[in-house]
Amino acid sequence: ELKVEQNPLFLSMQEGKNYTIYCNYSTTSDRLYWYRQDPGKSLESLFVLLSNGAVKQEGRLMASLDTKARLSTLHITAAVHDLSATYFCAVVNAGGTSYGKLTFGQGTILTVHP
Amino acid sequence: DAGITQSPRHKVTETGTPVTLRCHQTENHRYMYWYRQDPGHGLRLIHYSYGVKDTDKGEVSDGYSVSRSKTEDFLLTLESATSSQTSVYFCAISEQTGLNSPLHFGNGTRLTVT
Repeated sequence: ELKVEQNPLFLSMQEGKNYTIYCNYSTTSDRLYWYRQDPGKSLESLFVLLSNGAVKQEGRLMASLDTKARLSTLHITAAVHDLSATYFCAVVNAGGTSYGKLTFGQGTILTVHP
Repeated sequence: DAGITQSPRHKVTETGTPVTLRCHQTENHRYMYWYRQDPGHGLRLIHYSYGVKDTDKGEVSDGYSVSRSKTEDFLLTLESATSSQTSVYFCAISEQTGLNSPLHFGNGTRLTVT
C-alpha cells in the first residue's frame, strides 16, 4: 500500500527566510505532484515531477524529485506572505492500471509572518 | 476551475438520511474522482470512474456509492449519513492518466452530518 508522508505538518516562517518541505513515499512511483490550497478553496496544481532528478521552479518555489530515495522536496526561497497556504504532495502508484489515482500526503500548513 | 461544478456547495443533514453530491464537468474528460478532505489526513480517495458506467472503489469507500451514467456527471451517494462522514468532498477530473496530467479539482462540498 502506497503511503505518503510530509514534514513538517506545520511551518511558521518569517518573510525573507528559506525553508524546505519534505515528501516521502513508500513504494515506487513515476509521478509526483505538488498542489497548493488556500483556506476554503480548491487545490491548485503547482508542479508535476516525472523523472528522477527532475527539478521545476516557479517564482519562489522549487520542487525536486529523487525516485531512488522516494523523496521530493519543495523549497521556498525568501518567503513572502502570499505563499501562506497548505501544500500537498501526491503520488501515483507505479505499475498496473493506476487510472491516475493519487495518494496524498497530510499537507503542510505554511504561515509566513512579517 | 477547469470546468468542474460541484453541488451543493454546503449541506447540513441528519444522521441516517441519504445524501447525494453531484460533480458536473464540461471538459469531456474520461476520468473522475471523489476525494474527502479531513484535517491531518490530506485527501483520501473514495471512488473513481474511468468511463461511463465504469467505477471502482478507493481507500475509504465504505458507506459511499457512486454512479456515472453520462461522461459529464459523477454522483456520490452517502447511503445513510453518519457523523464520521462530516467532511469536505472534492471532485477531480483528468483527461488522461499518462504523463503530465495533473488532476483538476472542483471547489468542494462542505457536508455536515448532525
